[in-house]
Amino acid sequence: EIVLTQSPATLSLSPGERATLSCRASQSVSSYLAWYQQKPGQAPRLLIYDASNRATGIPARFSGSGSGTDFTLTISSLEPEDFAVYYCQQRSSWPLTFGQGTRLEIK
Amino acid sequence: EVQLVESGGGLVQPGGSLRLSCAASGFTFSSYSMNWVRQAPGKGLEWVSYISSGSSTIYYADSVKGRFTISRDNAKNSLYLQMNSLRAEDTAVYYCARDGGIKGYYYYGMDVWGQGTTVTVSS
Repeated sequence: EIVLTQSPATLSLSPGERATLSCRASQSVSSYLAWYQQKPGQAPRLLIYDASNRATGIPARFSGSGSGTDFTLTISSLEPEDFAVYYCQQRSSWPLTFGQGTRLEIK
Repeated sequence: EVQLVESGGGLVQPGGSLRLSCAASGFTFSSYSMNWVRQAPGKGLEWVSYISSGSSTIYYADSVKGRFTISRDNAKNSLYLQMNSLRAEDTAVYYCARDGGIKGYYYYGMDVWGQGTTVTVSS
């Protein structure tokens, strides 16, 4: 099973700041990695597919990068609605796995 | 509008059974693989099961293998999860999610999610 480790567990930033979230895989997942955003009481929402492609309707301030084992989700300038929990997920091998999540909170 | 709507959750005793349903609309359901993903209270996301568009390929997480059965009815645009021998640790919100799949060199992610249905296993 491929383990995805996200860091940091919690990130405290202010609106307008840049956020950098990390996801590391225990073995290569090529580019078969997605990022999701989840707000309290809501279903997850796809942000980034195939490591670096924004999903439909996702603002340009969200970007993804990386391949192999190291991936990054960057939010260039935080908006108030961006404070949420973010998960990475791999589709390279079964079982599918998610990272444990990074909570992005307002400082 | 592309939409997934789960139903069938509820309170069940340990060892009991429950059948979840997911109704799809706004897209060609028969063309997409589907997943069930769950989230225990206060915890992260856990993938549960996958079924391909024609039901020929099915996968389960080890935690539910032998107890849960995924199925679909493309004529009814519906996805199901039969859950037997339920345990307290199966308590969670269960989401159905459309699988964008791997096409060419791209993985398209789980691009459509339902609102979830809550399963509580308790005596």
